[in-house]
Amino acid sequence: NAGVTQTPKFRVLKTGQSMTLLCAQDMNHEYMYWYRQDPGMGLRLIHYSVGEGTTAKGEVPDGYNVSRLKKQNFLLGLESAAPSQTSVYFCASSYAATGYNEQFFGPGTRLTVL
Amino acid sequence: QQQVKQSPQSLIVQKGGISIINCAYENTAFDYFPWYQQFPGKGPALLIAIRPDVSEKKEGRFTISFNKSAKQFSLHIMDSQPGDSATYFCAARTTDDMRFGAGTRLTVKP
Repeated sequence: NAGVTQTPKFRVLKTGQSMTLLCAQDMNHEYMYWYRQDPGMGLRLIHYSVGEGTTAKGEVPDGYNVSRLKKQNFLLGLESAAPSQTSVYFCASSYAATGYNEQFFGPGTRLTVL
Repeated sequence: QQQVKQSPQSLIVQKGGISIINCAYENTAFDYFPWYQQFPGKGPALLIAIRPDVSEKKEGRFTISFNKSAKQFSLHIMDSQPGDSATYFCAARTTDDMRFGAGTRLTVKP
């Protein structure tokens, strides 16, 4: 099992460019999450999904869109990147949110917006 | 405004010593408190977690102490080892929300 994988590992964008980050999990988890990690801020939830075809906003959703067309994949899109979106992005998945099932994290994507 | 406050930001401990990281929360709706360990270049991984109906949970060298009335909880790492050097995050959860502390970078010197 690969667990949670993220593509790409690193990316540099110019302001205004768009990109999509891909998260894939092979654990048949229902729930998937996108977080951003910034120094001194911990991890903050951007969007999450409770199942295929569903998405919901987290703590810091502005400037991002997501899609969950397949159960195993969760895509995070930046339509017009801004320097404030420079961060490390982590995807996570869990069997279900109820009962506090463990969230498994991917290795992260380091994004720099110039 | 961070809902979970974590201290210290960084911590240096000698090998064999005790590492202590503290967290405090305000929202009484939180009812599950996990700790995550993150090594450089890796994603966070669940280390240990506690529910507020117990005051302490121990797993090997790692212990969570929980004070519900003070809305505080802490992670104690006994006999700290250089391999424990990592960033530690506390978190607080409800069924549909999880908030993280800012993290503590722990360095254990040999």
